[in-house]
Amino acid sequence: QVHLQESGPGLVKPSETLALTCSVSGASITSGSYFWGWIRQSPGKGLEWIGNVYYGGITYSNPSLKSRVFMSVDTSKSQFSLSLSSVIVADTAVYYCVRQRSMDPTTTQYWGHGILVNVSS
Amino acid sequence: QSALTQPASVSGSPGQSITISCTGTSSDIGSHDFVSWYQQHPPKPPRLLTYEVNKRPSGVSSRFSGSKSGNTASLTISGLQAEDEADYYCCSNAGTTNVIFGGGTKVTVL
Repeated sequence: QVHLQESGPGLVKPSETLALTCSVSGASITSGSYFWGWIRQSPGKGLEWIGNVYYGGITYSNPSLKSRVFMSVDTSKSQFSLSLSSVIVADTAVYYCVRQRSMDPTTTQYWGHGILVNVSS
Repeated sequence: QSALTQPASVSGSPGQSITISCTGTSSDIGSHDFVSWYQQHPPKPPRLLTYEVNKRPSGVSSRFSGSKSGNTASLTISGLQAEDEADYYCCSNAGTTNVIFGGGTKVTVL
């Protein structure tokens, strides 16, 4: 069974960088059939796709966040990471790491449990 | 890219069928068949119900069915059950590399 687990700080100060890591088990992170991505959900709000990364390093990001997003994959550790720079209070959300089909990134069958990140001074 | 448009809430009685709409544009829903639907029981993560408009992953009840006409996708829940009370989100490709969600619909079982 595919298992995804987010890790990182639960509190980040405004203007700083949010950094999260997702550990993957039960699946190969080097599979060519999938992207590894991030989706967030602000408290009481809907879902927002942040972006995804292919094991070879190719990344795709939400145009509204692209200038602040950096994603990478560490195949040796079976992990992938998200950095979101210059955070503001509106970046407070539950961040989910996910696996998406590479031929159809709208298909997200596996989700981590999510990690709440508060942006506050 | 704007979010897809869903009704804020839909309700129905047990056993009834309900349909949730998801309206986009010719640049997203109307341009391909990559549309999916998710169910979420907060605070749990969303669960995939349908993909590629009308396909269901294994383990998802046949009571959930997806469809599409033009720029609007729909999710129909037949034989409504108490456990179907949840939030539902549609999702579509927008262009070749962007993914957008609807604002979500709260389903209430009366």
